[in-house]
Amino acid sequence: EVQLVESGGGLVQPGRSMKLSCAASGFTFNNYDMAWVCQAPKKGLEWVATISYDGSSTYYRDSVKGRFTISRDNAKSTLYLQMDSLRSEDTATYYCARHVPFFDYWGQGVMVTVSS
Amino acid sequence: DTVLTQSPALAVSPGERVTISCRASESVSTGMHWYQQKPGQQPKLLIYGASNLESGVPARFSGSGSGTDFTLTIDPVEADDTATYFCQQSWNDYTFGAGTKLELK
Repeated sequence: EVQLVESGGGLVQPGRSMKLSCAASGFTFNNYDMAWVCQAPKKGLEWVATISYDGSSTYYRDSVKGRFTISRDNAKSTLYLQMDSLRSEDTATYYCARHVPFFDYWGQGVMVTVSS
Repeated sequence: DTVLTQSPALAVSPGERVTISCRASESVSTGMHWYQQKPGQQPKLLIYGASNLESGVPARFSGSGSGTDFTLTIDPVEADDTATYFCQQSWNDYTFGAGTKLELK
């Protein structure tokens, strides 16, 4: 059974940093591209970033370029999202998802609240 | 960005047929996918590539369309289908529609 379990969310002040993790199991992690998708409270879904199966390529939505970094450790079957210079508009639930190029499996999500 | 437009809400009775539409601002070929999200849960993939049913999803769900106009059909609707349905395109980067909230009468 495919499982994706996010961790690392919480309350953070504007301008500070936070790192999310996503532990994957139930499939061969290093065969798949992975992504982060966010959902602001009571809002729709937004793709944030994608990393290729081997980590050699990364892609970001414009609003996070230069602030967020997606990475992965295939030996640990874990996906990461380093979020720097956080803004109030980054407040959202962040989901990790397997990216094929639709999103066929999703984690349960982790809430990130950016507020002073 | 490719903008996806969905109607905001629909209300139907159990047993009826419902169609949920999604219009793209430019052609996405068949790179359109549909998700179901219930309150407090993560999205669940229903349809990929415009018309392919994801494994384990009931055959009551179907998808159609190509280019700019797409439809998700549920026939017949059941009480458990109360949820928000999102379309997503993968032809020009990755964008989602704002979602259609389906309520049962």
